[in-house]
Amino acid sequence: KNEVEQSPQNLTAQEGEFITINCSYSVGISALHWLQQHPGGGIVSLFMLSSGKKKHGRLIATINIQEKHSSLHITASHPRDSAVYICAVIQGAQKLVFGQGTRLTINP
Amino acid sequence: SQTIHQWPATLVQPVGSPLSLECTVEGTSNPNLYWYRQAAGRGLQLLFYSVGIGQISSEVPQNLSASRPQDRQFILSSKKLLLSDSGFYLCAWSTAGEQYFGPGTRLTVT
Repeated sequence: KNEVEQSPQNLTAQEGEFITINCSYSVGISALHWLQQHPGGGIVSLFMLSSGKKKHGRLIATINIQEKHSSLHITASHPRDSAVYICAVIQGAQKLVFGQGTRLTINP
Repeated sequence: SQTIHQWPATLVQPVGSPLSLECTVEGTSNPNLYWYRQAAGRGLQLLFYSVGIGQISSEVPQNLSASRPQDRQFILSSKKLLLSDSGFYLCAWSTAGEQYFGPGTRLTVT
């Protein structure tokens, strides 16, 4: 069993839909990242969370430390949101352990 | 502002050939540095990390090695590449928990 599990693995939706991607982890962490990887491979960090909720534009990330669970939400989804979204937890000396990623496709 | 450079962007190498990938960071000092690999169809995997010059920790035993000859330079090497070394290699640095990723090198071993 992976230490970080994401669901779903693939998600296809229509433009405008509300999107939720889930992440569960089984290890102790100091914080959690949500990352976005575009088809070219480049990765950007969307959020780093250690508690509660963060919002940036149409993106919202939440984390429940007691339940070891985090969610990434996208409101009013758009085709440009199509990407792979990766959950990663921070252990020890800022080492990241990654989920397998969720491939999101938003159709116009 | 901080910038991270990686080169080359793409690389095709025959099995058994050597490898050297370089990563440099600008705009920060004494960063933690990381090498990650993403094999085809798989998630990212931490290969090496470094908390200072000459300090390298290996996460996965393999035929790769890493070196940090200068504060902001991180090099990934191999003496003899295997087919299984193909993948997307990412360098990253971190401060205060935030991680910043380089553009990556796509390596194909033929």
